[in-house]
Formats: sequence, C-alpha cells, structure tokens
Amino acid sequence: DADVTQTPRNRITKTGKRIMLECSQTKGHDRMYWYRQDPGLGLRLIYYSFDVKDINKGEISDGYSVSRQAQAKFSLSLESAIPNQTALYFCATSFYGTGELFFGEGSRLTVL
Amino acid sequence: QQQVKQSPQSLIVQKGGISIINCAYENTAFDYFPWYQQFPGKGPALLIAIRPDVSEKKEGRFTISFNKSAKQFSLHIMDSQPGDSATYFCAASMHNNAGNMLTFGGGTRLMVKP
Repeated sequence: DADVTQTPRNRITKTGKRIMLECSQTKGHDRMYWYRQDPGLGLRLIYYSFDVKDINKGEISDGYSVSRQAQAKFSLSLESAIPNQTALYFCATSFYGTGELFFGEGSRLTVL
Repeated sequence: QQQVKQSPQSLIVQKGGISIINCAYENTAFDYFPWYQQFPGKGPALLIAIRPDVSEKKEGRFTISFNKSAKQFSLHIMDSQPGDSATYFCAASMHNNAGNMLTFGGGTRLMVKP
C-alpha cells in the first residue's frame, strides 16, 4: 500500500461544481502539502500544514481551501471549480527538520 | 516570477549518452538543492540533493554540480538508460522559521532512446 494515498485519482467535473480531493498518509509525518503541477510551470504550492491546528497559504491559494482533519488527513477543496484549475494535484508529506518531500501518486482534475 | 529556472524543458538522449539538466536560482539564501524524478503516473521522488558547502555530489550514475558564485546547479546522468526516461525537477529551499519550503523549477522531460 502507498504511504501517501490520494483520492480520487481522476475526476472530470463541470464549471461551478464543488470538488474535494483527499489525502491520507501512513508515514507518521507532521507536515502535509498540496501542490499543483502544470506543464512548464513545475510544482507550485497551494497550501501547507505543519500540524493539525496549522494551515498556511502557499504560492497559489486563491480559489482553493484546505482542511486538516487529523495528523494523517489533509483535504483540498475547490468551492466553485473553473477550467483553469484543470491540472494534476499532488499531496506530499515531510518530517520536521528534513527537506525531503514524499508525494502521493496524484489526482488528475479536469474542469469542463 | 520563478525563483528557480530550469532548462531545457525537454531532452532526447541516446542510450549510453550523458544527460545534462541545468537550473539557476535567484535567492542567495537557498541552502538546499534537491532533484526529484517523476515517472508517468507517479508522484515525484527525491533522487539526489546537495548543500552549497560542496561543489559536487555523486550517487551512482547521477551527479549534481553546484556553482555558488554563478547561482547555478546541474544534474548529470552518465550512461543514460531508457529506464531513466522521466520528468526531472530541480528545487531549492532555505532553512527558516517556515521550515524547508521547496521552490521547484519548471521540469525537464527526458527521453532516452534505445
């Protein structure tokens, strides 16, 4: 089983719909992140959380919100999806004091 | 603006050749420079990393060269193999109160032809 699990892996939705992407981890890491991947733009940070009561905006947080339901769970929501949010989304975890990120396998979102 | 610029965006190399991917950064406070490797349908995974107190780090066929004065670092893949075909991301971070937050380059899609 994967250490960082994302659901759903693929989702097609329509403009204006609310979408939630979920992430759970069994690594025991305290830090969790949501990244967005677009061709040529690399990985851009949306939100990050250093523990259950800590939520921080990243580089591109507009149009997104997150919830850290437990140390192991971090969900990303698009309240009203728009076509330019079509992208590959990654959840990642890390342990305090180390620079290494551990990524899930990604959630491909298409907004029509 | 991108704080870490990566080139080329795509690269085709023959089996056995050397693959070279370059990155340049702006922020002199960066003190950790990792490379991530991503296979299709998978998330990125740490490949190799370097800190600025050394100019080169080698792990098997993979080498990072670091030029602090030029604010550049590069990944060299020696004896490239078809199994190395993947997307590679350079990144940089600095240790501060927010922890080691990584800034990624735009990625390079490498194809190694048999």
